[in-house]
Amino acid sequence: GNSVTQMEGPVTLSEEAFLTINCTYTATGYPSLFWYVQYPGEGLQLLLKATKADDKGSNKGFEATYRKETTSFHLEKGSVQVSDSAVYFCALRVYGNKLVFGAGTILRVKS
Amino acid sequence: EAGVTQFPSHSVIEKGQTVTLRCDPISGHDNLYWYRRVMGKEIKFLLHFVKESKQDESGMPNNRFLAERTGGTYSTLKVQPAELEDSGVYFCASSQGGSTNEKLFFGSGTQLSVL
Repeated sequence: GNSVTQMEGPVTLSEEAFLTINCTYTATGYPSLFWYVQYPGEGLQLLLKATKADDKGSNKGFEATYRKETTSFHLEKGSVQVSDSAVYFCALRVYGNKLVFGAGTILRVKS
Repeated sequence: EAGVTQFPSHSVIEKGQTVTLRCDPISGHDNLYWYRRVMGKEIKFLLHFVKESKQDESGMPNNRFLAERTGGTYSTLKVQPAELEDSGVYFCASSQGGSTNEKLFFGSGTQLSVL
């Protein structure tokens, strides 16, 4: 079946620290991979995506590379800000718009 | 342009009661999805409407859950009777088409607490 596993949180970092949130997946077929973010009091927003192996998605300083050989899509940012504090969800889509999500990782950035 | 709207934002009910959640998708979006996140775990797919028809309801947990989308506009999700394990955040999402490249827009969710 299809599933997504991401690192448990919360992840607590100081401002300007380097961020990595690990995500691995199991899928039948060739999934598209996503990172969604939920800021406090808001809905899920698409942060970035990659649709095929070796693609790199990027947005707002965040990056993730689709690694087929390791079935991973780790999220990285070189220098986090307090405003990045949120819950981050890794997800995959095999067909249509039906998404399979991970459990989410809480990120807390301290000033 | 208004986004996906869900209400109520929070609902607290007692076990055995009935609750109805509502989702207003972005105008013109034929595809509407319900997801839920229980107890801080994965966000799981519940069902998918195309206009007023249920395209995929494979994620509906049991027959206490009833989703409708009369007229193909807004959708309701009724839980009757509610159980403790139904507590969680219920998200609605919409997209114009249903293909793989269509962008999905999410609402801010309804936090349901069953006591």
